[in-house]
Amino acid sequence: GAVVSQHPSRVICKSGTSVKIECRSLDFQATTMFWYRQFPKQSLMLMATSNEGSKATYEQGVEKDKFLINHASLTLSTLTVTSAHPEDSSFYICSGTRQGFQETQYFGPGTRLLVL
Amino acid sequence: LAKTTQPISMDSYEGQEVNITCSHNNIATNDYITWYQQFPSQGPRFIIQGYKTKVTNEVASLFIPADRKSSTLSLPRVSLSDTAVYYCLVGLLQGGKLIFGQGTELSVKP
Repeated sequence: GAVVSQHPSRVICKSGTSVKIECRSLDFQATTMFWYRQFPKQSLMLMATSNEGSKATYEQGVEKDKFLINHASLTLSTLTVTSAHPEDSSFYICSGTRQGFQETQYFGPGTRLLVL
Repeated sequence: LAKTTQPISMDSYEGQEVNITCSHNNIATNDYITWYQQFPSQGPRFIIQGYKTKVTNEVASLFIPADRKSSTLSLPRVSLSDTAVYYCLVGLLQGGKLIFGQGTELSVKP
């Protein structure tokens, strides 16, 4: 149990376009979802925390207008990278916590974004 | 949020037991300690979680001393497939965010 999926697994886009990444909890309801970014050979960096039906809370230094997060249901959160630039190329990972088990995060497989 | 400190890297050989220690001196009363494993280009995978004393599951053991200022992940008889980065995290109960440290890059050699 506690499986999280992400779609797409990898995406290549042109600079200036927007890209949407979906994060789904397949077998549990995720009351809270988190979005991380990871550059090569580095650790995961938390970008934002989202709760179902409310606005996401962004970490310091993360532009909320550039990285739009929508957590419309207990099983789906989306991250939209708007007007993507090459420096946004990274590995984006989401996670979710289950209702009643909020001390454990379950991670998705990640989405590799390459902006040309 | 509690900060964690781990060795940057460790080497081991197949069949050996590997112990990775993590320091978390400012752990809060309601923080759990969780270890994750990450392979390249994959999301982190939950290994084990504990609050105090010892926890064991089918893949690892977690030892936590009484003061909870450190914890040790023990991997019995590692294999080549255990080569990965291991992260120790402490987080708030009730959905608190986790802050990843640098992790420990474990390399298992034949």
